[in-house]
Amino acid sequence: GQQVMQIPQYQHVQEGEDFTTYCNSSTTLSNIQWYKQRPGGHPVFLIQLVKSGEVKKQKRLTFQFGEAKKNSSLHITATQTTDVGTYFCAGLSGAGSYQLTFGKGTKLSVIP
Amino acid sequence: DTEVTQTPKHLVMGMTNKKSLKCEQHMGHRAMYWYKQKAKKPPELMFVYSYEKLSINESVPSRFSPECPNSSLLNLHLHALQPEDSALYLCASSQADRWGDRETQYFGPGTRLLVL
Repeated sequence: GQQVMQIPQYQHVQEGEDFTTYCNSSTTLSNIQWYKQRPGGHPVFLIQLVKSGEVKKQKRLTFQFGEAKKNSSLHITATQTTDVGTYFCAGLSGAGSYQLTFGKGTKLSVIP
Repeated sequence: DTEVTQTPKHLVMGMTNKKSLKCEQHMGHRAMYWYKQKAKKPPELMFVYSYEKLSINESVPSRFSPECPNSSLLNLHLHALQPEDSALYLCASSQADRWGDRETQYFGPGTRLLVL
């Protein structure tokens, strides 16, 4: 079955440093979605990438979807304490599919 | 409005109890989902309803019984659960659309379930 690998599992950064998490799928994806889950919270949708090579930005967050639509990354510039949480990527294998395959998540800690 | 609501927020139940979790959305989404999330793990898909019909059941034990009374509501009936079923139960919804970019899943806040 489809697998989505996500690294690193944990990342501790000093406030102001950059952070990147990577996802790699065993199969080509129709789209990939990114979620943030704060401690004690629920996954909150951040963004969806659909097109090969797509790059989207949300303030300090930059999301990329690989040319082969099998890998993706989330980069945060100049982290802040409010960025703390677990970031999950989740891939859909085909248009019309309902089954999101989640990566295991990257837990980000920011040291003030 | 991208809100999915879930009740109750917290639930403690014994192994002989029967309880129900409820989920509601008013975004006109026709796909609704139940996920189970254990601590430090990603959400695991349990059930998917599409147009009020069960389309995916990920080999979930029969002590979990989903129900979709209408396009806005999703229930999860619980009976004779085990302590290992303690987890965060998340509901999500999405457009049921075949053309790729409308399948974003929006999650509710979840029900934290403790089985004693």
